[in-house]
Amino acid sequence: DAKTTQPNSMESNEEEPVHLPCNHSTISGTDYIHWYRQLPSQGPEYVIHGLTSNVNNRMASLAIAEDRKSSTLILHRATLRDAAVYYCILRDGRGGKLIFGQGTTLQVKP
Amino acid sequence: EAGVTQFPSHSVIEKGQTVTLRCDPISGHDNLYWYRRVMGKEIKFLLHFVKESKQDESGMPNNRFLAERTGGTYSTLKVQPAELEDSGVYFCASSQLQGFGIDEQFFGPGTRLTVL
Repeated sequence: DAKTTQPNSMESNEEEPVHLPCNHSTISGTDYIHWYRQLPSQGPEYVIHGLTSNVNNRMASLAIAEDRKSSTLILHRATLRDAAVYYCILRDGRGGKLIFGQGTTLQVKP
Repeated sequence: EAGVTQFPSHSVIEKGQTVTLRCDPISGHDNLYWYRRVMGKEIKFLLHFVKESKQDESGMPNNRFLAERTGGTYSTLKVQPAELEDSGVYFCASSQLQGFGIDEQFFGPGTRLTVL
C-alpha cells in the first residue's frame, strides 16, 4: 500500500480556513484518497474521499493535485470541535483495510 | 440509527488472563474490521470480516488472538493469554459497501485494554 506524508501538527484560529496538506507521490492509478479524523477519546471518523476531481461535502473539501501526488483537506471555517488528528489514507480499488499513518494533529485556538 | 458499539469500554486484566472484546456493527453492514492502537504507535489493522468469513487477517499479531463473527452479526476478539504488550485501544469498524475503495468505515468508541 502506498504511503502518505503529513505534517505532524498544525495550528489554526477559530472561524478561519484550514488547509491540511498530504503528499502521496507513489499513488497508483486505482488508489482513492481518503481522509479520516479522530477527535479526543473517540474512534476515527470518515471525513471525505476522492479519486481525481475535487470533492465537497458538508464537513470539508478535498483538493487533489492534477498529477494526484498530493492533496489538501480544506476546513472552510475551523471550530474548536475540529481539533483532532487528521489522517490522509490511500486505498486501492479493492477496498478493505485502512492504513493509518501518524496524521496531523490540528489545534484550533479561540 | 445506532452506531458501532463496543463492550467493554475499559478492561484491566492481569498478564496471563483471558479477555474477550465485543463489537456490534451497524445493522446491515457486512464488513467488520478490527484495529488497535498500542501506546505511542499508529492505529494498526488487525482483521476484516465479510459477513462471517475472514477476508483478511494479515494484521493479527499472533495466535493468542482469536476473532469470530458467528452468524455475520456481532464479533468477538479474544486475547488468550494476554501479555503486557497487548495493552492499547481496540477499535471496531463496519461498512456497507464492498470493494472499489470507497466505502466509509464507521468506527466504534474503542475498548481500552490494560494488561498488568
